[in-house]
Amino acid sequence: ILNVEQSPQSLHVQEGDSTNFTCSFPSSNFYALHWYRWETAKSPEALFVMTLNGDEKKKGRISATLNTKEGYSYLYIKGSQPEDSATYLCALKVNTDKLIFGTGTRLQVFP
Amino acid sequence: DAGVTQSPTHLIKTRGQHVTLRCSPISGHKSVSWYQQVLGQGPQFIFQYYEKEERGRGNFPDRFSARQFPNYSSELNVNALLLGDSALYLCASSSIVGQGSEQYFGPGTRLTVT
Repeated sequence: ILNVEQSPQSLHVQEGDSTNFTCSFPSSNFYALHWYRWETAKSPEALFVMTLNGDEKKKGRISATLNTKEGYSYLYIKGSQPEDSATYLCALKVNTDKLIFGTGTRLQVFP
Repeated sequence: DAGVTQSPTHLIKTRGQHVTLRCSPISGHKSVSWYQQVLGQGPQFIFQYYEKEERGRGNFPDRFSARQFPNYSSELNVNALLLGDSALYLCASSSIVGQGSEQYFGPGTRLTVT
């Protein structure tokens, strides 16, 4: 059974703090890695699709890196804002058919 | 542009009943996937359909079935409902199937089985 792990499980930070989360996955099964941002009562929002070892992607204050050889990806948020409060999910794509999700990191940003 | 839409939003059923959940993909998207999310866990893959053909199936019992229509919309059917089927059911669509393809999710259908 393939396992995707995310840490920490939850995080509370002050507005303006920078933060990062980790997603670990079995490197032998890598096909692609997805990051999603999921606010309560809304649809999960696609942030990044990462396919190559060493990939770095950026969207505004959010960026992500990928290491397929050691099986991890980091998501960084620079200068957190209250509107960044959400659950951040990573998902390993093992073939064209399915995503295997981690349990997510719940971020709470306090003003 | 409309995103992925799902209906109904919420549903309450009794054990043993049958349920049908519906999903309309983003216009032009030919692939639809279904996921089940139980509280405290990440979404779990149930099915993927592409061009009306089943391309993948997760580790779910035969009580779960799905289909995709010529307009690429999809239905998820669950028979003989159990209490453990209570979950958020998410639908995702993508325009292509491949390594770099993005999946776009709908808001989900919250199913409660009593």
